Amino acid sequence: RKEVEQDPGPFNVPEGATVAFNCTYSNSASQSFFWYRQDCRKEPKLLMSVYSSGNEDGRFTAQLNRASQYISLLIRDSKLSDSATYLCVVNNDYKLSFGAGTTVTVRA
Amino acid sequence: DVKVTQSSRYLVKRTGEKVFLECVQDMDHENMFWYRQDPGLGLRLIYFSYDVKMKEKGDIPEGYSVSREKKERFSLILESASTNQTSMYLCASSLLAGSSSYNEQFFGPGTRLTVL
Repeated sequence: RKEVEQDPGPFNVPEGATVAFNCTYSNSASQSFFWYRQDCRKEPKLLMSVYSSGNEDGRFTAQLNRASQYISLLIRDSKLSDSATYLCVVNNDYKLSFGAGTTVTVRA
Repeated sequence: DVKVTQSSRYLVKRTGEKVFLECVQDMDHENMFWYRQDPGLGLRLIYFSYDVKMKEKGDIPEGYSVSREKKERFSLILESASTNQTSMYLCASSLLAGSSSYNEQFFGPGTRLTVL
Protein backbone atom coordinates (compact mmCIF):
# COMPACT_ATOMS: atom_id res chain seq x y z
CA ARG A 1 0.00 0.00 0.00
CA LYS A 2 1.30 3.43 -0.88
CA GLU A 3 2.06 5.77 2.02
CA VAL A 4 0.11 8.60 0.44
CA GLU A 5 -2.71 8.07 -2.03
CA GLN A 6 -4.48 10.68 -4.12
CA ASP A 7 -7.18 10.71 -6.75
CA PRO A 8 -5.19 11.57 -9.87
CA GLY A 9 -8.10 13.46 -11.45
CA PRO A 10 -8.11 15.36 -13.66
CA PHE A 11 -10.58 17.77 -12.17
CA ASN A 12 -11.78 20.05 -14.95
CA VAL A 13 -13.59 23.07 -13.58
CA PRO A 14 -14.73 26.44 -14.96
CA GLU A 15 -13.27 29.67 -13.68
CA GLY A 16 -14.93 30.77 -10.49
CA ALA A 17 -15.90 27.26 -9.42
CA THR A 18 -14.98 25.53 -6.20
CA VAL A 19 -12.98 22.33 -6.39
CA ALA A 20 -12.02 20.01 -3.56
CA PHE A 21 -10.04 16.82 -3.33
CA ASN A 22 -8.54 14.57 -0.69
CA CYS A 23 -5.62 12.36 -0.03
CA THR A 24 -5.20 9.52 2.45
CA TYR A 25 -2.09 8.47 4.32
CA SER A 26 -1.24 5.12 5.84
CA ASN A 27 1.04 5.95 8.77
CA SER A 28 -1.01 7.03 11.76
CA ALA A 29 2.15 8.36 13.43
CA SER A 30 2.75 10.93 10.69
CA GLN A 31 3.64 14.25 12.21
CA SER A 32 2.97 16.99 9.73
CA PHE A 33 1.21 17.51 6.45
CA PHE A 34 1.47 19.79 3.44
CA TRP A 35 0.23 20.57 -0.01
CA TYR A 36 2.77 21.26 -2.72
CA ARG A 37 1.93 22.58 -6.15
CA GLN A 38 3.66 21.45 -9.33
CA ASP A 39 3.11 23.28 -12.59
CA CYS A 40 3.60 21.43 -15.85
CA ARG A 41 7.31 20.71 -16.42
CA LYS A 42 8.26 22.60 -13.29
CA GLU A 43 9.51 21.66 -9.85
CA PRO A 44 7.18 21.24 -6.84
CA LYS A 45 6.75 24.24 -4.57
CA LEU A 46 5.16 24.49 -1.16
CA LEU A 47 1.57 25.69 -1.33
CA MET A 48 0.62 25.46 2.33
CA SER A 49 0.99 23.48 5.52
CA VAL A 50 -2.01 21.64 6.93
CA TYR A 51 -2.83 22.10 10.60
CA SER A 52 -5.08 20.00 12.80
CA SER A 53 -7.53 22.84 13.23
CA GLY A 54 -7.72 23.51 9.52
CA ASN A 55 -6.28 26.57 7.88
CA GLU A 56 -6.86 28.99 5.05
CA ASP A 57 -4.54 30.85 2.76
CA GLY A 58 -6.55 33.15 0.57
CA ARG A 59 -8.76 31.02 -1.65
CA PHE A 60 -7.21 27.78 -0.42
CA THR A 61 -8.46 25.83 2.58
CA ALA A 62 -6.74 22.77 3.96
CA GLN A 63 -8.19 20.31 6.45
CA LEU A 64 -6.71 17.40 8.36
CA ASN A 65 -8.66 14.48 9.76
CA ARG A 66 -6.28 12.40 11.87
CA ALA A 67 -8.93 9.87 12.90
CA SER A 68 -9.66 8.95 9.30
CA GLN A 69 -6.15 9.74 8.09
CA TYR A 70 -7.03 12.06 5.28
CA ILE A 71 -6.14 15.56 4.20
CA SER A 72 -8.22 17.79 1.97
CA LEU A 73 -7.65 20.86 -0.15
CA LEU A 74 -10.41 23.18 -1.30
CA ILE A 75 -9.92 25.91 -3.86
CA ARG A 76 -12.57 28.62 -4.04
CA ASP A 77 -13.18 30.98 -6.94
CA SER A 78 -10.82 29.04 -9.19
CA LYS A 79 -8.49 30.99 -11.46
CA LEU A 80 -6.87 29.85 -14.69
CA SER A 81 -3.55 30.13 -12.86
CA ASP A 82 -4.67 27.45 -10.40
CA SER A 83 -4.25 24.82 -13.12
CA ALA A 84 -1.55 22.53 -11.76
CA THR A 85 -0.89 19.22 -10.09
CA TYR A 86 -1.35 19.31 -6.33
CA LEU A 87 0.86 16.98 -4.32
CA CYS A 88 -0.17 15.75 -0.89
CA VAL A 89 2.87 15.44 1.34
CA VAL A 90 3.27 13.76 4.71
CA ASN A 91 6.22 14.11 7.08
CA ASN A 92 7.32 10.91 8.82
CA ASP A 93 10.32 11.49 11.07
CA TYR A 94 13.07 12.77 8.86
CA LYS A 95 11.54 12.47 5.42
CA LEU A 96 8.64 13.57 3.30
CA SER A 97 6.39 11.11 1.48
CA PHE A 98 4.68 12.44 -1.63
CA GLY A 99 1.44 11.44 -3.25
CA ALA A 100 1.37 11.06 -7.01
CA GLY A 101 -0.67 14.23 -7.33
CA THR A 102 -4.12 15.46 -8.29
CA THR A 103 -4.36 17.38 -11.55
CA VAL A 104 -6.65 20.38 -11.68
CA THR A 105 -7.47 22.17 -14.92
CA VAL A 106 -9.38 25.42 -14.75
CA ARG A 107 -11.02 26.45 -18.03
CA ALA A 108 -12.17 29.87 -19.13
CA ASP B 1 15.38 33.47 -2.62
CA VAL B 2 16.59 29.94 -2.23
CA LYS B 3 18.10 28.65 -5.38
CA VAL B 4 18.69 25.01 -6.18
CA THR B 5 20.33 24.31 -9.49
CA GLN B 6 20.91 21.08 -11.33
CA SER B 7 23.64 20.54 -13.86
CA SER B 8 21.47 19.50 -16.80
CA ARG B 9 17.81 19.81 -17.77
CA TYR B 10 17.98 16.95 -20.26
CA LEU B 11 20.43 14.09 -20.48
CA VAL B 12 20.61 11.08 -22.79
CA LYS B 13 22.90 8.20 -21.88
CA ARG B 14 23.47 4.64 -23.01
CA THR B 15 22.93 1.51 -20.98
CA GLY B 16 25.97 0.73 -18.86
CA GLU B 17 27.32 4.27 -18.78
CA LYS B 18 28.25 5.93 -15.49
CA VAL B 19 26.09 9.01 -14.99
CA PHE B 20 26.67 11.98 -12.70
CA LEU B 21 23.87 14.35 -11.74
CA GLU B 22 24.97 17.45 -9.88
CA CYS B 23 22.96 19.64 -7.54
CA VAL B 24 23.99 22.90 -5.92
CA GLN B 25 22.10 25.03 -3.38
CA ASP B 26 23.06 28.54 -2.38
CA MET B 27 21.31 28.96 0.97
CA ASP B 28 23.61 27.08 3.32
CA HIS B 29 21.00 24.38 3.87
CA GLU B 30 21.93 21.39 5.99
CA ASN B 31 19.82 18.81 4.20
CA MET B 32 19.84 17.71 0.61
CA PHE B 33 17.73 15.10 -1.15
CA TRP B 34 17.54 13.23 -4.43
CA TYR B 35 14.18 12.04 -5.75
CA ARG B 36 12.97 10.51 -8.94
CA GLN B 37 9.51 11.27 -10.27
CA ASP B 38 7.60 8.88 -12.49
CA PRO B 39 3.99 9.13 -13.74
CA GLY B 40 1.54 7.61 -11.31
CA LEU B 41 4.22 6.99 -8.68
CA GLY B 42 4.95 10.47 -7.43
CA LEU B 43 8.29 11.49 -5.99
CA ARG B 44 10.33 8.69 -4.48
CA LEU B 45 13.31 9.37 -2.26
CA ILE B 46 16.58 7.86 -3.47
CA TYR B 47 19.13 9.23 -0.99
CA PHE B 48 19.46 12.14 1.38
CA SER B 49 22.18 13.83 3.35
CA TYR B 50 22.14 15.76 6.62
CA ASP B 51 25.70 16.93 6.51
CA VAL B 52 28.89 16.91 4.53
CA LYS B 53 30.15 13.40 3.86
CA MET B 54 27.00 11.97 5.39
CA LYS B 55 24.39 10.01 3.44
CA GLU B 56 21.35 7.94 4.16
CA LYS B 57 19.40 5.59 1.92
CA GLY B 58 15.91 6.56 0.97
CA ASP B 59 13.18 4.29 -0.33
CA ILE B 60 14.78 3.25 -3.63
CA PRO B 61 18.60 3.44 -3.37
CA GLU B 62 19.39 0.40 -5.51
CA GLY B 63 21.51 1.25 -8.51
CA TYR B 64 22.42 4.69 -7.17
CA SER B 65 25.08 6.24 -4.99
CA VAL B 66 25.66 9.78 -3.78
CA SER B 67 28.45 12.08 -2.77
CA ARG B 68 28.47 15.17 -0.59
CA GLU B 69 31.96 16.57 -0.33
CA LYS B 70 30.82 20.16 0.20
CA LYS B 71 27.79 21.49 2.01
CA GLU B 72 26.30 23.14 -1.04
CA ARG B 73 26.76 20.26 -3.47
CA PHE B 74 25.07 16.85 -3.60
CA SER B 75 25.78 14.48 -6.46
CA LEU B 76 23.78 11.49 -7.60
CA ILE B 77 25.68 8.73 -9.38
CA LEU B 78 24.27 5.97 -11.52
CA GLU B 79 27.09 3.43 -11.53
CA SER B 80 25.82 1.57 -14.59
CA ALA B 81 22.78 3.18 -16.13
CA SER B 82 19.86 0.97 -17.08
CA THR B 83 16.71 1.70 -19.07
CA ASN B 84 14.55 1.48 -15.94
CA GLN B 85 16.42 4.49 -14.59
CA THR B 86 14.89 6.68 -17.28
CA SER B 87 13.07 9.27 -15.20
CA MET B 88 12.87 12.85 -13.97
CA TYR B 89 15.41 13.41 -11.20
CA LEU B 90 14.74 16.18 -8.69
CA CYS B 91 17.15 17.53 -6.13
CA ALA B 92 15.90 19.38 -3.05
CA SER B 93 17.34 21.08 0.00
CA SER B 94 15.99 22.16 3.36
CA LEU B 95 17.38 24.14 6.25
CA LEU B 96 17.09 21.90 9.27
CA ALA B 97 16.52 18.30 10.24
CA GLY B 98 14.45 16.85 13.02
CA SER B 99 11.74 14.33 13.51
CA SER B 100 9.14 16.80 14.63
CA SER B 101 10.08 19.95 12.85
CA TYR B 102 8.88 20.88 9.44
CA ASN B 103 11.38 22.10 6.96
CA GLU B 104 10.20 23.26 3.60
CA GLN B 105 12.01 21.53 0.81
CA PHE B 106 13.13 23.65 -2.11
CA PHE B 107 13.48 21.85 -5.39
CA GLY B 108 15.73 22.27 -8.37
CA PRO B 109 14.26 22.35 -11.88
CA GLY B 110 14.89 18.64 -12.46
CA THR B 111 16.95 16.60 -14.88
CA ARG B 112 15.10 14.44 -17.37
CA LEU B 113 17.35 11.45 -17.92
CA THR B 114 16.79 9.05 -20.79
CA VAL B 115 18.77 5.82 -20.85
CA LEU B 116 18.83 4.11 -24.23
